[in-house]
Amino acid sequence: GDSVTQMEGPVTLSEEAFLTINCTYTATGYPSLFWYVQYPGEGLQLLLKATKADDKGSNKGFEATYRKETTSFHLEKGSVQVSDSAVYFCALSDLSSNTGKLIFGQGTTLQVKP
Amino acid sequence: DTEVTQTPKHLVMGMTNKKSLKCEQHMGHRAMYWYKQKAKKPPELMFVYSYEKLSINESVPSRFSPECPNSSLLNLHLHALQPEDSALYLCASSQDPPDTDTQYFGPGTRLTVL
Repeated sequence: GDSVTQMEGPVTLSEEAFLTINCTYTATGYPSLFWYVQYPGEGLQLLLKATKADDKGSNKGFEATYRKETTSFHLEKGSVQVSDSAVYFCALSDLSSNTGKLIFGQGTTLQVKP
Repeated sequence: DTEVTQTPKHLVMGMTNKKSLKCEQHMGHRAMYWYKQKAKKPPELMFVYSYEKLSINESVPSRFSPECPNSSLLNLHLHALQPEDSALYLCASSQDPPDTDTQYFGPGTRLTVL
C-alpha cells in the first residue's frame, strides 16, 4: 500500500539556519503531496501542497518540490525562526482507496533555538 | 476563509459518561472527517462523511458514533469510553471527496477519559 517516510527527529537548529526535512513516498498513481505543521497544543495547519510532478509548493518561506523520479517531497526553508518550532507532517492523498484518505508520515519535530 | 471550528477545546469524562464533540465549517465543503491523534503520532482516520452520508468507517469501535446533521456540521458522540481513548480528536473538511483535494483541519478537542 501507499506510504510516507520522513526523517526521524527531533531536528534542532539555531535561528537563521537552513532547514531540510526529508520526505519520500511510495504510491500507485500520482497522488497530491502535502506538508502540514502542528504547533504545540494545536491542530494541523496546511503549510503547502503540490498536485503533480515538478510542482513547487511554497508558503511562509517554506518550499517543497514534487519529485516523481526520486519519489520525494523534501521541505526546505532558508532561514528558520524560533516560531517555526513545531511538528511537521508529510502526507499524500490515497488515490487507491478512492476515499480522500490522507496517509501521513510519522512527523518530524523541529526545535529552533535562539 | 479556511476555518474549521471544534468545540469543546478540552473535555474530561468518566467511562460511564455520554458526551459529544462538535465540528463546524462554513466553506461549503461537502466532505468532513474525524481523526484521532495520540501524542507524538500522526492523525489516524476514523470516519469520512461525503455529502452528509457516512462513506468510510475505519473499523472504529461502536462507542464512537458519528453524525452529520447537515453539510456544515459534524458531531462525534461518545459513550462508555476507555482510558486508552484519551487523545486529540481532529475534524477536517475538504471541497469534494474522493478527490485529491486539500483537507483543512480544526484545532481539535483534547479528550481525557478517567
